[in-house]
Amino acid sequence: NAGVTQTPKFRVLKTGQSMTLLCAQDMNHEYMYWYRQDPGMGLRLIHYSVGEGTTAKGEVPDGYNVSRLKKQNFLLGLESAAPSQTSVYFCASSYSASRPDTQYFGPGTRLTVL
Amino acid sequence: EDQVTQSPEALRLQEGESSSLNCSYTVSGLRGLFWYRQDPGKGPEFLFTLYSAGEEKEKERLKATLTKKESFLHITAPKPEDSATYLCAVQASYNQGGKLIFGQGTELSVKP
Repeated sequence: NAGVTQTPKFRVLKTGQSMTLLCAQDMNHEYMYWYRQDPGMGLRLIHYSVGEGTTAKGEVPDGYNVSRLKKQNFLLGLESAAPSQTSVYFCASSYSASRPDTQYFGPGTRLTVL
Repeated sequence: EDQVTQSPEALRLQEGESSSLNCSYTVSGLRGLFWYRQDPGKGPEFLFTLYSAGEEKEKERLKATLTKKESFLHITAPKPEDSATYLCAVQASYNQGGKLIFGQGTELSVKP
């Protein structure tokens, strides 16, 4: 049982390049989340999904797109990277949100945009 | 506006010196308050969930408590391995999708 995994662990992009971050969970969780963590800003929600085929915007969605084609995977895309997207990205999942339910986090992806 | 504020930003303790971390929150209906531990270069690791005022939970040297406006994470006789950043987050009852609102964290350093 690997829990929540993220690939890649590190990535350096040039401004304007695109990339996709992959999150996978093997806990059969319904809900999945993408957060970014910046110094002094705490963790902020980018997008989330309440089930396969569904996505919704979080607090800071601009410049990002997501897809949840399979229940166990949640993809975060950057179509045209900007330096302001330099951050550490965390994926999380939870069984549901119909009750206070624990979100379990992956190890993170450190992205630098030059 | 829902908000979570943690204090202090950083805390340095000697091994064995007990202390408390504070998490003050403003939310329109609390569904749950969560404490996480985060080690450098790693993802947050779940510690506790508290649901209602008066509730307490313990794990080894850590004890979390909850009132209607704040939560405390008490650390008794800390060891160097307790050094980490401790994150507090709240989930609002109106919140569709289970969004967590995080504080900025308290960086704890325990010296031997």
